[in-house]
Amino acid sequence: EVQLLESGGGLVQPGGSLRLSCAASGFTFSSYDMSWVRQSPGKGLEWVSSITGRGGSIYYADSVKGRFTISRDNSKNTLYLQMNSLRAEDTAVYYCAKVDGYNFAGRRNLVFDYWGQGTLVTVSS
Amino acid sequence: SSELTQDPAVSVALGQTVRITCQGDSLRSYYASWYQQKPGQAPVLVIYGKNNRPSGIPDRFSGSSSGNTASLTITGAQAEDEADYYCNSRDSGGNLPAVFGGGTQLTVL
Repeated sequence: EVQLLESGGGLVQPGGSLRLSCAASGFTFSSYDMSWVRQSPGKGLEWVSSITGRGGSIYYADSVKGRFTISRDNSKNTLYLQMNSLRAEDTAVYYCAKVDGYNFAGRRNLVFDYWGQGTLVTVSS
Repeated sequence: SSELTQDPAVSVALGQTVRITCQGDSLRSYYASWYQQKPGQAPVLVIYGKNNRPSGIPDRFSGSSSGNTASLTITGAQAEDEADYYCNSRDSGGNLPAVFGGGTQLTVL
């Protein structure tokens, strides 16, 4: 059974830093891309960042580029999100998600097939 | 602003059929995936690809696509289907892994 367990959320002041972790189990962690998706209170889902299985390719949403860093430790089956220079608008529940892919007509489609329960990050003074 | 557009809210009578749509240029090149989210819970994948359901998803959920529009259809909606539904695909240039629609709140009357 696939399980994703986030941790590390909490209250932080504007300009501060926080590191989120996502412990994965139930699948071959290094074989899959992983992502972070967030949801601000009362709002929709927002993709934040993704990393390929071996960490060779990394992607960020414009809203977090230069402030957040995604990484993974395949020996520990753990995904991370280092968040610096936090702003009030970063307040959200942060979900980690396993990514699966399939090809169609020469294009790589991606799907978030499993999600963690999320960890709440509150940026406030 | 999202590159995928969804109606903010849709309602359906119990037992009837409802279609939730998602529009965006990326859908001409990539399939949409659909996620159900109930209050206080994490999203759950319900449809992906041409029309694929993960294990455990009832067969009343189905997906389709035409041009720049993807659709999620619930045939015979149940009370437990009341939730927010989000579509997702790659961005229109295929450079980023994902973009989400703004979500559709489904009310079952």
